[in-house]
Amino acid sequence: DAMVIQNPRYQVTQFGKPVTLSCSQTLNHNVMYWYQQKSSQAPKLLFHYYDKDFNNEADTPDNFQSRRPNTSFCFLDIRSPGLGDAAMYLCATSGGGETDTQYFGPGTRLTVL
Amino acid sequence: GQNIDQPTEMTATEGAIVQINCTYQTSGFNGLFWYQQHAGEAPTFLSYNVLDGLEEKGRFSSFLSRSKGYSYLLLKELQMKDSASYLCAVRDSNYQLIWGAGTKLIIKP
Repeated sequence: DAMVIQNPRYQVTQFGKPVTLSCSQTLNHNVMYWYQQKSSQAPKLLFHYYDKDFNNEADTPDNFQSRRPNTSFCFLDIRSPGLGDAAMYLCATSGGGETDTQYFGPGTRLTVL
Repeated sequence: GQNIDQPTEMTATEGAIVQINCTYQTSGFNGLFWYQQHAGEAPTFLSYNVLDGLEEKGRFSSFLSRSKGYSYLLLKELQMKDSASYLCAVRDSNYQLIWGAGTKLIIKP
């Protein structure tokens, strides 16, 4: 089945220790998104790629970086995680068309100690 | 600013019907989405409305009134597995998705 995959599902890191989250997709969608979601809050868009074109949201902290080496993979790098960065990180993809619906991976729950 | 309003929490009984409302103020409108999100999991797509009216999909229906900036998600024959958060999201004139914080639906036997 075509899908969006995120690894790991759970990540524990220490304050200030860099961490990388990964996302891959078999949908062959050209747009990939990274969201941060905290408990009982709306997903917050961090950035998205349209093919290789990178789009950073204005309020995304510099601490967050992203790479998309090819169509299938996208990475989220958190350079120096703080306690406030503990959240669920969601990867989504969309392939255009009439609805351009976003499809989500299962998410990575990040804990910062 | 752009804003999506949904009730924070609702409670309903198994087998009953529940309506979850969403009102929005956005710069432009290019479609409204409803997603279901179980606790600790990712959102899953439920429905899409871009024209006024009702879209029915099995036990779930979604309604849109663009002139009123209003939508609702109707869930019929509620099952315990429907306990989840339901997120409303609007695509604005820049094709950005503006998300609501979600409505937590609690189903009681």
